[in-house]
Amino acid sequence: EVQLVESGGDLVKPGGSLRLSCAASGFTFSNAWMNWVRHTPDKGLEWVARIKREADGGTTEYAEPVKGRLIISRDDSKNTVYLQMNSLKSEDTGVYYCTTAGGTYHYWGQGTLVTVSS
Amino acid sequence: DIVMTQTPLSSPVTLGQPASISCRSSQSLVHSDGNTYLSWLQQRPGQPPRPLIYKISNRFSGVPDRFSGSGTGTDFTLKISRVEAEDVGVYYCMQATQFPWTFGQGTKVEIK
Repeated sequence: EVQLVESGGDLVKPGGSLRLSCAASGFTFSNAWMNWVRHTPDKGLEWVARIKREADGGTTEYAEPVKGRLIISRDDSKNTVYLQMNSLKSEDTGVYYCTTAGGTYHYWGQGTLVTVSS
Repeated sequence: DIVMTQTPLSSPVTLGQPASISCRSSQSLVHSDGNTYLSWLQQRPGQPPRPLIYKISNRFSGVPDRFSGSGTGTDFTLKISRVEAEDVGVYYCMQATQFPWTFGQGTKVEIK
């Protein structure tokens, strides 16, 4: 059974930092391109970041609103993808999901809540 | 980025009656490989998104056949043939033809 389990969400003050983790199981993680998607009150579902598999260079891409502040990374030895969140803003508040998709599959985790508020 | 626009944003439906949601993209979703990467997701209250349909009209494993997708190019439709109580939630269209993935605003399906 495929599982994606996010953790690390918390209440943090504006300007603060947080690191989210997503532990994967039930599929070959090292072959997967992994994404973070968030659900915010203002924008609904919004793609945030992607990291390709190492065989494809491990390249990372980011949505414009988070460029320079969020960093996606992966550890294939731990089947885990991370999202380092720096210089957090109130508009980053939302539920963060890790997700991966292929031809006939699309897996989502349960999500982890990030609240940015003073 | 491709903009996805859904209508209606709210759809009150009587149990057992059909429901239909439209999704329009700001540009064609036909990929250079010939496929159209348009999906539909369901999000029940307090749950993560659940993928229902991929490539316009293909149901993911375990999705009831009362859900169907259709469309071409820039105009797509999700239909629920007979709405059941468990279908209450928000439905999103999503495109993966052009990077980055983009989503519609969501359509709330509720029981009258």
